[in-house]
Amino acid sequence: SAVISQKPSRDICQRGTSLTIQCQVDSQVTMMFWYRQQPGQSLTLIATANQGSEATYESGFVIDKFPISRPNLTFSTLTVSNMSPEDSSIYLCSVKENEQFFGPGTRLTVL
Amino acid sequence: GQQLNQSPQSMFIQEGEDVSMNCTSSSIFNTWLWYKQDPGEGPVLLIALYKAGELTSNGRLTAQFGITRKDSFLNISASIPSDVGIYFCAGQLYPDTGNQFYFGTGTSLTVIP
Repeated sequence: SAVISQKPSRDICQRGTSLTIQCQVDSQVTMMFWYRQQPGQSLTLIATANQGSEATYESGFVIDKFPISRPNLTFSTLTVSNMSPEDSSIYLCSVKENEQFFGPGTRLTVL
Repeated sequence: GQQLNQSPQSMFIQEGEDVSMNCTSSSIFNTWLWYKQDPGEGPVLLIALYKAGELTSNGRLTAQFGITRKDSFLNISASIPSDVGIYFCAGQLYPDTGNQFYFGTGTSLTVIP
């Protein structure tokens, strides 16, 4: 299975700022996803990161708030823009081969 | 999105006891996955199921793909303290509508030594 790393592992940010989360995979993968997991909740799909084109966002998530880059088949970034305390969550990068695998997550706290 | 109902929501058991949890949906799925998430970590895949009726084991864990294709079950035998965590089911719809897996609401397991 693919090995997925994320940076940073955690951060504490001020309201109104932005944070970019990086996801690196040790092999080329076609399907990459970004999820949000709010405290005590299940996983919610934010978007599918498409290589070489704009990400596909799920209902309730927009590009201005969560811009995503996917420059190649092993790397993606998610930016959480103009943050508010409601954005405090774990953000997870994921890849799909036959099954779906997750990175270790980025725990974000917005003050 | 699809609703996967996972139960129970939480469990408190004694070390050594067996555990059962399940995931149900009104839709038909062609793949079921079971994950465990430790605090502060990403979910780790435990078992993958690909066809109706399939029964698969991974150590003390056994999972089954329901015959109706609308449910799945996970059993843990002889629980130990390191089994503590949140267990999620995930399913991929049949027919596949876009490579997305839908996730259950999670079962929080506490094992009392």
